[in-house]
Amino acid sequence: QVQLVESGGGLVKPGGSLRLSCTDSRFTFSDYYMSWIRQAPGKGLEWVSYISGNGRTIDYADSVKGRFTISRDNAKNSLYLQMNSLRAEDTAVYYCARNPCIGDECYNFFFDLWGRGTLVTVSS
Amino acid sequence: EIVLTQSPATLSLSPGERATLSCRASQSVNNYLAWYQQKPGQAPRLLIYDASNRATGIPARFSGGGSGTDFTLTISGLDPEDFAVYYCQQRGNWPPTFGPGTKVDIK
Repeated sequence: QVQLVESGGGLVKPGGSLRLSCTDSRFTFSDYYMSWIRQAPGKGLEWVSYISGNGRTIDYADSVKGRFTISRDNAKNSLYLQMNSLRAEDTAVYYCARNPCIGDECYNFFFDLWGRGTLVTVSS
Repeated sequence: EIVLTQSPATLSLSPGERATLSCRASQSVNNYLAWYQQKPGQAPRLLIYDASNRATGIPARFSGGGSGTDFTLTISGLDPEDFAVYYCQQRGNWPPTFGPGTKVDIK
């Protein structure tokens, strides 16, 4: 069964940094675009960032642009999110999610597989 | 950025009843709308993509419709496991955005 597993969350002070990881060895990781999506406590969902299968195409939500960096290591079936200059409003559960392919087209921004999430708390 | 509005915020129904959830977009997203189910403490689960296509393994009692700016998710007969929060999400305009959710709870 396909299962994405996130790690790296925790408590950090405002201005601090964290690096989240996500891994899954049960599908051909490099074939898929991957995204990070977050959910603040008791709130809705917010797309944060995506990266293409080969890592060459990346984008970010305006709310994190310039502070967060997405990357991947396909040899390790791993996705990362480096989060710097963290703010209280970044407090959320962070999910990694797979962007599915429809036929040969993989530039699709809905999400068919999700991890269980990792909680990031930014507080002094 | 496209704003998605979901109604009602809460829907109170009994098992076996039909649920109809609405999602409205601030401008056309063509048919590029997805629906997700989320239960407490769990990740969202994809139900429907591109307005009317059921995702793998999703029961036939879930169906989606609509295009442009108005969309619906229908659950034809609520199973006890269907009581959850449902989110719509558009990919017709950049960036992808989610609605605020509709909670379906037990009456």
